[in-house]
Order: sequence, then structure tokens, then C-alpha cells
Amino acid sequence: DVKVTQSSRYLVKRTGEKVFLECVQDMDHENMFWYRQDPGLGLRLIYFSYDVKMKEKGDIPEGYSVSREKKERFSLILESASTNQTSMYLCASSSHNSVNTIYFGEGSWLTVV
Amino acid sequence: AQRVTQPEKLLSVFKGAPVELKCNYSYSGSPELFWYVQYSRQRLQLLLRHISRESIKGFTADLNKGETSFHLKKPFAQEEDSAMYYCALKRGNTDKLIFGTGTRLQVFP
Repeated sequence: DVKVTQSSRYLVKRTGEKVFLECVQDMDHENMFWYRQDPGLGLRLIYFSYDVKMKEKGDIPEGYSVSREKKERFSLILESASTNQTSMYLCASSSHNSVNTIYFGEGSWLTVV
Repeated sequence: AQRVTQPEKLLSVFKGAPVELKCNYSYSGSPELFWYVQYSRQRLQLLLRHISRESIKGFTADLNKGETSFHLKKPFAQEEDSAMYYCALKRGNTDKLIFGTGTRLQVFP
């Protein structure tokens, strides 16, 4: 069974803290994504990685960075968390040969106070 | 500009009524469109894609290039269809998707 796992389901962090959100997939997928999900705004792409150590900015990369040192793991980093980064974060993965099927994790709900 | 528009935030119907969730897109090339669904406390998952021309859980969606629409339809709604539905457009040759803002479907008994 396909699996994308986000290790932290709920986090509360203080303004200015450095935050790491981890995502692991067990499907040997080349592509991995980080989206942010907000009511009324839908899902917005933060960063995309198409291979190990390769990354592309999405639509809203400001305030975020990513790391892909291993194929199965894609980390989202908030260098200095701010209250406007309070949101649900969704990780996803897909294969180059997946016929467009993208698999999502359960999400990480981050609250910045 | 590439864009996906879902004009309704909330759609409420009674069980057995027909359902149509609207999706319009803006894209200069040949579009690939999808519907994703998120049930309560579950992860976002693919419902259907236009290239497959399939029916999943009684839902269908037809790509209308003239009207730039990809509306999701079901003739008889069920309570278990209550969920958040997102229309999505694939960008170019990548798997990056542009999502609409979503429509919450509520089916009352």
C-alpha cells in the first residue's frame, strides 16, 4: 500500500523558532511536494523536488526552505516561524511514470503563537 | 495565466438529489484536469482524472474545452459523499498541480 508519512501531525511553535516538518515516502518516487492548505485558498505549492538534492520553488516559497538528501525524505524548513505560517502543511509524492497519480500525506497542522 | 476556479465554497443537497460541483480553468495549452477529494479526517486522494474518462463512486466529469470547464457530477448524492472537493490542473509536463479553492459538499439525510 502506498504511503506518505508526515511525522508530526500537530505542532505548536513560538514566533521566531526554526521549524522542521518531515515527510517520508516508501514508494521510491522521484517527485516530492510541499503544499500549504488554507480555508478559502485551497492548496498552494511551496516547493517541489524532482530528484535527490534537486528542488524548485513553488508559488509561495518565501519564508520556507527544503532539503532532499535522500530519495525517500523531503523536509520543509521554516527558518523563523511567523504567525502567518499557521496552517495545514501537506506533503505529496509521485513517480515519473505514475500516470499523474499524486499521493498525499495526512498533513501537519502547525500553529505559530 | 494558469488558474482554477471553483465558485462555490459550500454546496448543500439532500440525499438522492443530483450534484454538480463547478470547476473552470484557464490554461493556454492542452489541459490535464483532476478532481481530488478529502473526507473528514482522511488524506487528500485522487477521485478521477479527465484522461481516463472514468466513473468513480458514481461521479463523472467531462472536460469542456469550449467552456473551459470540468464540472463534477453525480446523479444521486449519498451521505458518504460529504467531503471537500478540489479541482486541479496539471502544469506543463510536470506533476505540479494548481488547485482550486475547494468546494465543501454537504449531503443531508
